[in-house]
Amino acid sequence: QSVLTQPPSVSGAPGQRVTISCTGSSSNIGAGFDVHWYQQLPGTAPQLLIYGDNNRPSGVPDRFSGAKSGTSASLTITGLQAEDEADYYCQSYDSSLRGVFGGGTKLTVL
Amino acid sequence: QVQLQQWGAGLLKPSETLSLTCGVYGGPFSGFYWSWIRQSPGKGLEWIGEINHSGSSNYNPSLRSRVRMSADTSKNQVSLNLSSVTAADTAVYYCARGLIAAPYDYWGQGVLVTVSS
Repeated sequence: QSVLTQPPSVSGAPGQRVTISCTGSSSNIGAGFDVHWYQQLPGTAPQLLIYGDNNRPSGVPDRFSGAKSGTSASLTITGLQAEDEADYYCQSYDSSLRGVFGGGTKLTVL
Repeated sequence: QVQLQQWGAGLLKPSETLSLTCGVYGGPFSGFYWSWIRQSPGKGLEWIGEINHSGSSNYNPSLRSRVRMSADTSKNQVSLNLSSVTAADTAVYYCARGLIAAPYDYWGQGVLVTVSS
């Protein structure tokens, strides 16, 4: 059971917009800790996609955006492309001094 | 370019101790926390713990009694020991660079550790 809750799967057609939610609690996201997002392609290590709630590392397309409100956060992908098919994880920190992850969301591009 | 290179035994028997090392190349060792994260087959990511160059560490409460991390500043390496392993500890183990509550911007390649009798 992951500390942060994500939907197991989402899907969308090429060109569409999808949003992945990440729900935490008052001891992690709601306590003000930043939310970060990772993309994981099959057989590879996760790669940082969004940091500090809504910032993109260099090289990440602006089709990817993040948001946070209260005890939840979300990742939105616009202009969906086939190459976006991957697993996505949210991550934050907890006031008990531990990192916390969501259970991951598998994105399928139809 | 920062690179994290991991190594360690990939096959263990129940009750043995998992031991992995992560070498940091091409970037500073001090000033960061080095985390260990694992992923069971077909499952999500689980945070194991973190340690900095001076040995200050935080561990996942669910694993704290079995985990020990260490940092060797002379070699720019961090190590993970997980004692009394069971089949439930079978996973790909990653090391990653970050700070307290910060994102992990560099990851090791991952090492698959299988626990089987």
